[in-house]
Amino acid sequence: KAGVTQTPRYLIKTRGQQVTLSCSPISGHRSVSWYQQTPGQGLQFLFEYFSETQRNKGNFPGRFSGRQFSNSRSEMNVSTLELGDSALYLCASSKSGGARTGELFFGEGSRLTVL
Amino acid sequence: SQQGEEDPQALSIQEGENATMNCSYKTSINNLQWYRQNSGRGLVHLILIRSNEREKHSGRLRVTLDTSKKSSSLLITASRAADTASYFCATDENSGAGSYQLTFGKGTKLSVIP
Repeated sequence: KAGVTQTPRYLIKTRGQQVTLSCSPISGHRSVSWYQQTPGQGLQFLFEYFSETQRNKGNFPGRFSGRQFSNSRSEMNVSTLELGDSALYLCASSKSGGARTGELFFGEGSRLTVL
Repeated sequence: SQQGEEDPQALSIQEGENATMNCSYKTSINNLQWYRQNSGRGLVHLILIRSNEREKHSGRLRVTLDTSKKSSSLLITASRAADTASYFCATDENSGAGSYQLTFGKGTKLSVIP
């Protein structure tokens, strides 16, 4: 069974640009969550999607957005990039929502560097 | 928000020794999970303990949960160099309107010296 796949693995952008990250969950998993990981703030919850609907949202500005497609694949977008957006962005999938029901399966992450 | 807080932040031990990491959290929980992360990689789920459980084992891992003290501990016995990683606890935090998010602590960085 294929794991969670995130693309791209590494990318470099400049301030003001926008970026789109992609996540393909494990087959059969309908919930996709996104996390931002930085050395200073640790793992911060961005949002969770379930059956194409945003079910939960963390405390991030509106520049951070996401969506989920009918095949459960998810994308997140960051517009008007700032230096502080440099981070490892992790996607995680679960069958119905890991927080209450069980474990999350993580991808290897997309490392974004903003110059 | 950071629900769980791990202690210590960093731990260095010799191969074969036991490693104990602690986690404290703030609000009531349904379950607490531990994850492991090798440097710059994704997180891997280790173990889940529910609020009505006090102890759980999985191979060389032993997790305890004390809901009265809002704390948990992860014990890794007979550590190996391959156990070198960061370990995170995570709790299901109620974010309102019946929805929950998995909230992580800042982690304990474990180094096992061969």
